[in-house]
Amino acid sequence: DTEVTQTPKHLVMGMTNKKSLKCEQHMGHRAMYWYKQKAKKPPELMFVYSYEKLSINESVPSRFSPECPNSSLLNLHLHALQPEDSALYLCASSPYQRGNEETQYFGPGTRLLVL
Amino acid sequence: GESVGLHLPTLSVQEGDNSIINCAYSNSASDYFIWYKQESGKGPQFIIDIRSNMDKRQGQRVTVLLNKTVKHLSLQIAATQPGDSAVYFCAEITLTGNQFYFGTGTSLTVIP
Repeated sequence: DTEVTQTPKHLVMGMTNKKSLKCEQHMGHRAMYWYKQKAKKPPELMFVYSYEKLSINESVPSRFSPECPNSSLLNLHLHALQPEDSALYLCASSPYQRGNEETQYFGPGTRLLVL
Repeated sequence: GESVGLHLPTLSVQEGDNSIINCAYSNSASDYFIWYKQESGKGPQFIIDIRSNMDKRQGQRVTVLLNKTVKHLSLQIAATQPGDSAVYFCAEITLTGNQFYFGTGTSLTVIP
């Protein structure tokens, strides 16, 4: 299995809603990432988990809350979002083997619209 | 922080022609580089990578060239096809600290 899967594919939510994005990989990768991507822009890193521990938080607002239940799963919990948070949310994973190539493999993304 | 940028935000080519997409980087300590292709509504897809101790690497219809002297990376696509239409991102990786930076992207349009 060489895929990163993400659910849901599309999500529409109001500013008072609570929702979660899910990401899964079965490649044995030990690093997982959340990115936010606006139209015609490169992905912006939000969070990095390595060995199920949060290692990088790129000053993301607390209305985004990541969770890594195990080495294959990564969630992003959303609460009280703003319309400007509407974007494509990408999950990625990489082997996390020090000294070796750390190619990140991306999921298809969740297209989020906040109304 | 360090930045990775592209010279051309858009590129249009005729089907069958060769395409060249360029990328400038600023971190001379980067260990390797990746080109990703992102089609509309999809996540970035790995195309090809190159280590910093190499100058050239070839794949199927694609070639990546690395010029460390001027900190320049390029992706050459031979016999461009309509299916090659996408946004192409270069990414720069520094293994120490696991730093991973995307360039700004180039939108490639192939004209049939």
